[in-house]
Amino acid sequence: EPEVTQTPSHQVTQMGQEVILRCVPISNHLYFYWYRQILGQKVEFLVSFYNNEISEKSEIFDDQFSVERPDGSNFTLKIRSTKLEDSAMYFCASSDQAKGTIYFGEGSWLTVV
Amino acid sequence: GIQVEQSPPDLILQEGANSTLRCNFSDSVNNLQWFHQNPWGQLINLFYIPSGTKQNGRLSATTVATERYSLLYISSSQTTDSGVYFCAVGDSSNTGKLIFGQGTTLQVKP
Repeated sequence: EPEVTQTPSHQVTQMGQEVILRCVPISNHLYFYWYRQILGQKVEFLVSFYNNEISEKSEIFDDQFSVERPDGSNFTLKIRSTKLEDSAMYFCASSDQAKGTIYFGEGSWLTVV
Repeated sequence: GIQVEQSPPDLILQEGANSTLRCNFSDSVNNLQWFHQNPWGQLINLFYIPSGTKQNGRLSATTVATERYSLLYISSSQTTDSGVYFCAVGDSSNTGKLIFGQGTTLQVKP
């Protein structure tokens, strides 16, 4: 079964450093998402991306965050200057339509020290 | 925005028991999915069920969209069913965004 893949699985970074989390969505999917989950809490929506632009973003997704689809297969989340409170599991997801099943990757665990 | 409430927050079962998890939502939805988050943090798709009833092995789900709730049934529970079960709904924005509930933490004891 096709799956969403994410790298790295775990990253430790110093506060203030830039981080890029990478994702390869399922190949025929058109909608891409990033979510995050702080330890012990629920999963929160960050951003949705369609047709090479952001279609919706949450209030969490401030100017420190950006997304990019640099080629036909990758979808990245960049955090410009990490803060301690950015420590979380970040999930990439994709779907072939806005109302269809959304498939999640295994997550990238980010620890900011 | 849409509010999603799951109950119970925690559930402990003996292996072999059955259980029902509930998800209430505050507005009409165009997407509803149930996920199982395993101990490694992976979110496993269980059902895409904005309405109707589906079954997959020991699991089944029912969504009554007009009454704004969904139920996940687990029969003959096994220790591997342990983890957190999330309900997530999509609103009318058509961006595909999902709004997650707080989850139900299930522990199945041998």
